[in-house]
Amino acid sequence: DAKTTQPNSMESNEEEPVHLPCNHSTISGTDYIHWYRQLPSQGPEYVIHGLTSNVNNRMASLAIAEDRKSSTLILHRATLRDAAVYYCILRALQGAQKLVFGQGTRLTINP
Amino acid sequence: EAGVAQSPRYKIIEKRQSVAFWCNPISGHATLYWYQQILGQGPKLLIQFQNNGVVDDSQLPKDRFSAERLKGVDSTLKIQPAKLEDSAVYLCASSLAGGPGNTIYFGEGSWLTVV
Repeated sequence: DAKTTQPNSMESNEEEPVHLPCNHSTISGTDYIHWYRQLPSQGPEYVIHGLTSNVNNRMASLAIAEDRKSSTLILHRATLRDAAVYYCILRALQGAQKLVFGQGTRLTINP
Repeated sequence: EAGVAQSPRYKIIEKRQSVAFWCNPISGHATLYWYQQILGQGPKLLIQFQNNGVVDDSQLPKDRFSAERLKGVDSTLKIQPAKLEDSAVYLCASSLAGGPGNTIYFGEGSWLTVV
């Protein structure tokens, strides 16, 4: 399984944008980039995913570098409810296509 | 739409006892996963089912853990006998299919404490 590297923790202020980075230098051409987040005492929840192009949905935006070796999850206007552990995961096109979680980034939002 | 249901939410048992967790995936979801999450770590996949067949159980400690998915719907995960290091949250998840573009939906988890 291809590996991702994320900062252990980040801090931001409420109502400001947050940029969560992820490095995946060993990504293969058919690996999808997925982001999940886990709020306290809950199971992980899907945030967004992409392959090559930047993606937007109601929760966030995903910016993917041209060489696909890194990506950034963007929360446009953070709220206290966005405080969670954010996981960047590569999901292979072939094989079992399972989610392999790393340590993730613990995001703290200050009021 | 109902989410992934798990029970029990919390369980405390003594070491060497047995425990079973139950999962009801989202209706129509063919793929079901069981993950183990130890405090402070990311979830680790234990087993993946496609309908009622096992796709991946490479990280399931088969000497004490077992899982089944009868009729391709509900699933149970059993631990017998439990060890102290099995204290964790057991997360069930499901998706329509196993493809990398499919969203995986997680339940709230079953919290196990082994004393």
